[in-house]
Amino acid sequence: NAGVTQTPKFQVLKTGQSMTLQCAQDMNHNSMYWYRQDPGMGLRLIYYSASEGTTDKGEVPNGYNVSRLNKREFSLRLESAAPSQTSVYFCASIGGEWNSYEQYFGPGTRLTVT
Amino acid sequence: DQQVKQNSPSLSVQEGRISILNCDYTNSMFDYFLWYKKYPAEGPTFLISISSIKDKNEDGRFTVFLNKSAKHLSLHIVPSQPGDSAVYFCAAPQNYGQNFVFGPGTRLSVLP
Repeated sequence: NAGVTQTPKFQVLKTGQSMTLQCAQDMNHNSMYWYRQDPGMGLRLIYYSASEGTTDKGEVPNGYNVSRLNKREFSLRLESAAPSQTSVYFCASIGGEWNSYEQYFGPGTRLTVT
Repeated sequence: DQQVKQNSPSLSVQEGRISILNCDYTNSMFDYFLWYKKYPAEGPTFLISISSIKDKNEDGRFTVFLNKSAKHLSLHIVPSQPGDSAVYFCAAPQNYGQNFVFGPGTRLSVLP
């Protein structure tokens, strides 16, 4: 099992450019999450997907869109990148044991917007 | 307003001694807590959790204590090892896991 994979690992964008961060999990998990991590602020939820075809906004959704393409894949899109979106992005999933809140995280994507 | 606080940004401990990492929360609706460990350039990994029906949970060298009346939990690592050097986050689920609230993290350095 690869667990949760994310691509790319690093990305530099200019202001106004767009890009999609990819996430996939091979654990047959139902729920998937996108977080951003900024210094001194912990992880903040951007979007959440409880199952294929459903997505919900988290704490900081502005400037982002998501797609739950199938049960395995959950992508995050920046339509017009801004310097404030410079961050490390983590994808996570849940869905092993019933009622387990243990999240499995990907290795992260470090994004810099200049 | 942070619902989960980790007031110590960093902590240094000698190898073999006890490390105590603290976490405070403000939302009395939280009924489950998790600790994650994060190494540089990696994603967080689950360490240990505790339900609000318990006041202690132990897993090897790691023990989490929960004091509901004080809205406080702590992670004890005994004995500390250099490989424990990492950032530790405490987290709480909301809305049956639709959201998770994370603390800002504490960087633990275990000195040989």
